Amino acid sequence: NAGVTQTPKFRILKIGQSMTLQCTQDMNHNYMYWYRQDPGMGLKLIYYSVGAGITDKGEVPNGYNVSRSTTEDFPLRLELAAPSQTSVYFCASSYSVVNTEAFFGQGTRLTVV
Amino acid sequence: EDKVVQSPLSLVVHEGDTVTLNCSYEVTNFRSLLWYKQEKKAPTFLFMLTSSGIEKKSGRLSSILDKKELFSILNITATQTGDSAVYLCALISGTYKYIFGTGTRLKVLA
Repeated sequence: NAGVTQTPKFRILKIGQSMTLQCTQDMNHNYMYWYRQDPGMGLKLIYYSVGAGITDKGEVPNGYNVSRSTTEDFPLRLELAAPSQTSVYFCASSYSVVNTEAFFGQGTRLTVV
Repeated sequence: EDKVVQSPLSLVVHEGDTVTLNCSYEVTNFRSLLWYKQEKKAPTFLFMLTSSGIEKKSGRLSSILDKKELFSILNITATQTGDSAVYLCALISGTYKYIFGTGTRLKVLA
């Protein structure tokens, strides 16, 4: 009963490095989301996708890219990591956006030094 | 712009107290309002509210929505230390997004 799986759980990056945060869901959900959560703050939407091949920007997309080649996978790419990207990243998915909850992965704690 | 505002930002109570958490919102196309509990890691779902005046209840937790005044409350009665968490309110808007507030950090002291 996997649900939403994120990897890695923790990562330390140096300034200027790149990495991809992986997110996979096995619930056949069309809608997928990437959020970041800074200390003491709520969740800010980075990117979202309403289905394979379709992505759109959220509130804070700068410095990130996404792709959605399959229903299951929604990777988040960080290019040229900056200290401001130090955060906890959550991937979520939902069956629809009509009266259904979103399910969350366990998060990736990223530190950029 | 769609917005969710939660209050208070943080709260410290003693076991057995009753707490009320507030969530007010502005949205152009309301679909649902959700409450989540976040302990150490991922938020876990508590309630979804779509209609005004209908209370949702689960054990000691309950929630209600007022679509006219654009707010919701989450009540926790007889609080326990295990209720210590961040409680997040979220909106589903017409643009396929879940929009979250900053959360209320609740600490219950033994």
